[in-house]
Amino acid sequence: EIVLTQSPDTLSLSPGERATLSCRASQSVGSNYLSWYQQIPGQAPRLLIYGTSSRATGIPDRFSGSGSGTDFTLTISRLEPEDFAVYYCQQYGSSPPYTFGQGTKLEIK
Amino acid sequence: QVQLQESGPGLVKPSQTLSLTCTVSGGSISSGGYYWSWIRQDPGKGLEWIGYIYYNGNTYYNPSLKSRVIMSVDTSKKQFSLRLSSVTAADTAVYYCARGSDYFDQWGQGTLVTVSS
Repeated sequence: EIVLTQSPDTLSLSPGERATLSCRASQSVGSNYLSWYQQIPGQAPRLLIYGTSSRATGIPDRFSGSGSGTDFTLTISRLEPEDFAVYYCQQYGSSPPYTFGQGTKLEIK
Repeated sequence: QVQLQESGPGLVKPSQTLSLTCTVSGGSISSGGYYWSWIRQDPGKGLEWIGYIYYNGNTYYNPSLKSRVIMSVDTSKKQFSLRLSSVTAADTAVYYCARGSDYFDQWGQGTLVTVSS
C-alpha cells in the first residue's frame, strides 16, 4: 500500500498570495495517477485535479498540479478567500486500496 | 449534473451491522461506464476508500475491510448500498458515497455514523 505524506500540515497565507502544497509517496505512483481534493469544513471533498495535472470540470485555472514519480505539487496561483480549506492528495496508480494523504490545512494569515 | 445522497441510521451498536444506501439522481447509475464507491472519513485516520461496485454487481473491496463489507446495487431504484458487519467504535466516521473507481468526481454530502451502545 502506498503511503502519501503531505506537507506542510498547515500553511498560513494571505489572499492574493501563491500557495504550494506538497504530496510525497512512499513509492512511485504508477502512471502518475494522482488527484487532489479540496474540503471545506462540513462539506464533502471536491475533486480539483486528476492524473497529476488535469483540472476537473469547473475548476478555475488558478489551480494547477504537477509532479511525477513520488513527488507531486498542487499550486494555487493567487489565493481567493474561498480557497482556504483542507487539501488532500490521493493516488490510484497501483492496485487498490487507493490511498489518501493526511491533508494540508490552508488558513488565512 | 448527477447528485448522490446517503441515507441510513446514524447510530449503530457495537457488533451489529452498519447499513447505508446511496441514491443517485440527475443521471443513470448503469450507463457511462461509471463505478460507484464508498469512502469514509474519521478525524483521526483521514479518508479511507472502502470499495466500489459496478452496475452489474461487480465489486472490489479494500483488503483491510473485505471480510466485513458487502456492497449491492439496485439499478431500478438508482441506488447502491453498503453493509459493514461486526462494527466497533473504530468504524465511527462520516460515510460518503461517490462516483468513480479510482478518482472520485462526484460525492454525496456524507452521513455521520456513530458506533455506540
